[in-house]
Amino acid sequence: GQQVMQIPQYQHVQEGEDFTTYCNSSTTLSNIQWYKQRPGGHPVFLIQLVKSGEVKKQKRLTFQFGEAKKNSSLHITATQTTDVGTYFCAGQGGGSYIPTFGRGTSLIVHP
Amino acid sequence: GAGVSQSPRYKVAKRGQDVALRCDPISGHVSLFWYQQALGQGPEFLTYFQNEAQLDKSGLPSDRFFAERPEGSVSTLKIQRTQQEDSAVYLCASSLASGTRNIQYFGAGTRLSVL
Repeated sequence: GQQVMQIPQYQHVQEGEDFTTYCNSSTTLSNIQWYKQRPGGHPVFLIQLVKSGEVKKQKRLTFQFGEAKKNSSLHITATQTTDVGTYFCAGQGGGSYIPTFGRGTSLIVHP
Repeated sequence: GAGVSQSPRYKVAKRGQDVALRCDPISGHVSLFWYQQALGQGPEFLTYFQNEAQLDKSGLPSDRFFAERPEGSVSTLKIQRTQQEDSAVYLCASSLASGTRNIQYFGAGTRLSVL
């Protein structure tokens, strides 16, 4: 079955440093979604990528979808304490309704 | 309400007890998903409904798990004879339409602890 690997599992940064999390799928995806889960909270939708090579930006967040539609990344520029949380990617492939979530990357920002 | 509502927020059960977890999706949302999230892990798919039809239950870990959505709105996840390994957060998510590429809106989850 489809597997989605996400690295790193944890990332500690000083406030102001950049952060990147990577997501890799074992199969070609039709789309990939990114979610953020604050400590004690629930996943909240951030963005969806559909096209090969697509790049989308939300303020300090940049999302990329690989040319082969098997990998994706989320980059945060100049992290802030409000960025703390776990970032999940979720990929869908083969016409499936069911997204497969990665394990998540927990971002810890030190002031 | 404006979002997905789950109840109870916390449930403590003795091993062997049956539990029922409720999900009230966003009004009008066709699709409903149940996930299990263990500590430090991503959400693991359990089952999927399109309206009242359970189209996929391949993620249910055993026949002790049962889900229903009889009128195509509220859904209940039932776990019979709970075991310690059932301890996790159970998340419900709904989306407006069926098919792929639909944004999922998650509830706050039910944290189940089996003693």
